[in-house]
Amino acid sequence: KQEVTQIPAALSVPEGENLVLNCSFTDSAIYNLQWFRQDPGKGLTSLLLIQSSQREQTSGRLNASLDKSSGRSTLYIAASQPGDSATYLCAASAGGTSYGKLTFGQGTILTVHP
Amino acid sequence: SQTIHQWPATLVQPVGSPLSLECTVEGTSNPNLYWYRQAAGRGLQLLFYSVGIGQISSEVPQNLSASRPQDRQFILSSKKLLLSDSGFYLCAWDRSGGNTIYFGEGSWLTVV
Repeated sequence: KQEVTQIPAALSVPEGENLVLNCSFTDSAIYNLQWFRQDPGKGLTSLLLIQSSQREQTSGRLNASLDKSSGRSTLYIAASQPGDSATYLCAASAGGTSYGKLTFGQGTILTVHP
Repeated sequence: SQTIHQWPATLVQPVGSPLSLECTVEGTSNPNLYWYRQAAGRGLQLLFYSVGIGQISSEVPQNLSASRPQDRQFILSSKKLLLSDSGFYLCAWDRSGGNTIYFGEGSWLTVV
């Protein structure tokens, strides 16, 4: 059974700082790994998706990496802004007929203060 | 473009009462549909998924059930709610063979 763990559980940084969020998974037989953002009381917004054959994906100030052999993924946020404050979730997909069957981590609550 | 709607957004129900949460998807056909729950202090957990009308798979034993009466409609139900059913329920969809999953805005359920 896949288990996904995120460290740290919470992170508070000043504006402008570069930061790294960590995600680890126990079963390396994943189809892809995704990073989501969740604002308080809201649904999830997909940030980055890394296929199992890929090493990293980039979107703007976000960069996500994947190391299947070690069961780890990181989300790097450059030049953080107060608007980046949210909960960040990583999720592993086992693939098969339903790619949306995701195993989520508990999330990292990020606060970026001005 | 595709959109996903969930309702009601917020619900307060007494223990033992029934539940019906509804989710509909627009702008696509034959989507895979999912119900996730986010309980207090716990991560998102997949409850049910469906690959077609009338086809429901349950991921965890629980007090809830799901139905898919139409291609783009997914309903989460309970005959008698428990306190432990409280949480944030999210509906989601993706395409068979696709990679991107789309989540609804969620429904807050408080059982009192």
